[in-house]
Amino acid sequence: DAKTTQPPSMDCAEGRAANLPCNHSTISGNEYVYWYRQIHSQGPQYIIHGLKNNETNEMASLIITEDRKSSTLILPHATLRDTAVYYCIVRSPYNFNKFYFGSGTKLNVKP
Amino acid sequence: SAVISQKPSRDICQRGTSLTIQCQVDSQVTMMFWYRQQPGQSLTLIATANQGSEATYESGFVIDKFPISRPNLTFSTLTVSNMSPEDSSIYLCSVPGASPYEQYFGPGTRLTVT
Repeated sequence: DAKTTQPPSMDCAEGRAANLPCNHSTISGNEYVYWYRQIHSQGPQYIIHGLKNNETNEMASLIITEDRKSSTLILPHATLRDTAVYYCIVRSPYNFNKFYFGSGTKLNVKP
Repeated sequence: SAVISQKPSRDICQRGTSLTIQCQVDSQVTMMFWYRQQPGQSLTLIATANQGSEATYESGFVIDKFPISRPNLTFSTLTVSNMSPEDSSIYLCSVPGASPYEQYFGPGTRLTVT
């Protein structure tokens, strides 16, 4: 699975959009980009995933660049409850459901 | 979504002893996964537990140190053997969701080795 690079931490004001970047320059054609988050003292939680196209669900939007070497997770209106570590994971569909977590970005949403 | 419980939720153990962590799922699953999260670090996959076969360990993890049992499709145990302070971590189990892109995690077991 391709490696990912994320900033270690970011701040965001409550109510503003939080844009979390992820670099995955070695991604291959069949690898998906996944985002999970881990709120303090809990297990990670699935947010969103994508292959090529931008994706949106009730939690977030995922923007993947045309060359697929980077992506951005967007939380449109961050709340204090969105304070968590956000993990960007690139995974092959053939790796038997395994997820390998990188170092993640600690998002601090401030009032 | 799957509901996963782990026991114990936390424990403090003496070095040289062993601790068995239990993971119970409310539905039948083929695969279960065990992760370790050392203090302030990300999650590291330890092994995949398949029912009816031996667990598959990731690089850097061995069966003698982390024996795993998978007696049925809803239950698994991970034993941390001959513990040292470096084993102090949160241990989490997870299972795949109904769709291949989701994985559900248990609440974790916080282990402190003194």
